[in-house]
Amino acid sequence: DAGVIQSPRHEVTEMGQEVTLRCKPISGHDYLFWYRQTMMRGLELLIYFNNNVPIDDSGMPEDRFSAKMPNASFSTLKIQPSEPRDSAVYFCASMGWLEKSGELFFGEGSRLTVL
Amino acid sequence: DAKTTQPPSMDCAEGRAANLPCNHSTISGNEYVYWYRQIHSQGPQYIIHGLKNNETNEMASLIITEDRKSSTLILPHATLRDTAVYYCIVSRNYGGSQGNLIFGKGTKLSVKP
Repeated sequence: DAGVIQSPRHEVTEMGQEVTLRCKPISGHDYLFWYRQTMMRGLELLIYFNNNVPIDDSGMPEDRFSAKMPNASFSTLKIQPSEPRDSAVYFCASMGWLEKSGELFFGEGSRLTVL
Repeated sequence: DAKTTQPPSMDCAEGRAANLPCNHSTISGNEYVYWYRQIHSQGPQYIIHGLKNNETNEMASLIITEDRKSSTLILPHATLRDTAVYYCIVSRNYGGSQGNLIFGKGTKLSVKP
């Protein structure tokens, strides 16, 4: 398996623009997580899905952020409008019900820079 | 979920055992101890987890004290590639899942030749 695939790997945009980050989880995994990492705040859980349904979105910072999972093999994290303070590395991770408990598989991340 | 306390940094000589401590004095009975690591600019990588028994896998050993208030991750023969930030996390396990893995600041382990 290719692992969790995220795109784009790097994105530079200007304040006010819409940003869409994409994630393809490992096939067969039914949990998907979005994390954000900054130097100041470390790794923060934004939202997670189970069987394509959002379970906990309490970590989503504000209404500018939205996440969807239209099917088991694809998820998006959208920021509209983007702000400089959204600059961070965004990680997607997936986990399968039958996997060893607690083993999240992370993608390589999407590094976002908002100017 | 219980919080964890880890030293901010540690050094280890290549080939020697690296022992990374973690305090989790407020851990509750249904909470597991997880260890992940993050090598620079990569996504975090799962290492090991346990409830109350010591655990070992191909990467590391996890020693949990009898009162479960602290644990130690042991890398038996550290290599330069083990240089990373190591996260100790305490979390409930909802029948095989947890949506609230809270990553703290971790311990930055530097393995030196």
